[in-house]
Amino acid sequence: QVRLEQSGPELKKPGASLRVSCKASGYTFSAYGINWIRQAPGQGLEWLGWGSGYNGSTYYAQNFQDRVTMTSDKFTNTAYMELRSLTSDDTAVYYCARDRRDYADYWGQGTLVTVSS
Amino acid sequence: SYELTQPPSVSVSPGQTARITCFGDALANQYVSWFQQKSGQAPVLLIYEDKERSSGIPERFSGSTSGTTVTLTISGVQAEDEADYYCQSADSTGAFVFGSGTKVIVL
Repeated sequence: QVRLEQSGPELKKPGASLRVSCKASGYTFSAYGINWIRQAPGQGLEWLGWGSGYNGSTYYAQNFQDRVTMTSDKFTNTAYMELRSLTSDDTAVYYCARDRRDYADYWGQGTLVTVSS
Repeated sequence: SYELTQPPSVSVSPGQTARITCFGDALANQYVSWFQQKSGQAPVLLIYEDKERSSGIPERFSGSTSGTTVTLTISGVQAEDEADYYCQSADSTGAFVFGSGTKVIVL
């Protein structure tokens, strides 16, 4: 069965960088992209962008394109999301989700990121 | 920026029907999907491409569309359906956009 396993919770200081991993299993990793979505406490869902599982192509949301990088390793079936210059507004649960072009079908369990001095 | 508008909450008695709407200017030309998110859990895909039910989702969940408004209908609501529901589509560049979410309250 399709499974996306994310890395554990993170505590970061303002100005630091974050890297979240998302290990896929149960399907051909290179055949699908990965979306990254976050959810601030008590808030809705916010899309950060998409990364290809095949050739490294990316597409970032306009709000994040200057400080986010999405990569993938098709040999370890793992996608990564790096977010730089963190502020307290980046405190959120970050999700990876398999891309189906118009929607995301399978989601990871989420990674809680807390940004605090 | 492109927005999808949902009602903040919908209250419904067990066994009744809940309808959650999602409005967006471009929805007549873009697919919508629906997600259910229970407290402390990751979202779960319910409906994709406006009305296709995801694998394993009960038949009481259905999607429909009329112009720029799409609707998620939960027929015969059960206590376990109490959750937040989000619609999702894409803007003209293909970027995913989520609605603000609707809390379904089972009375």
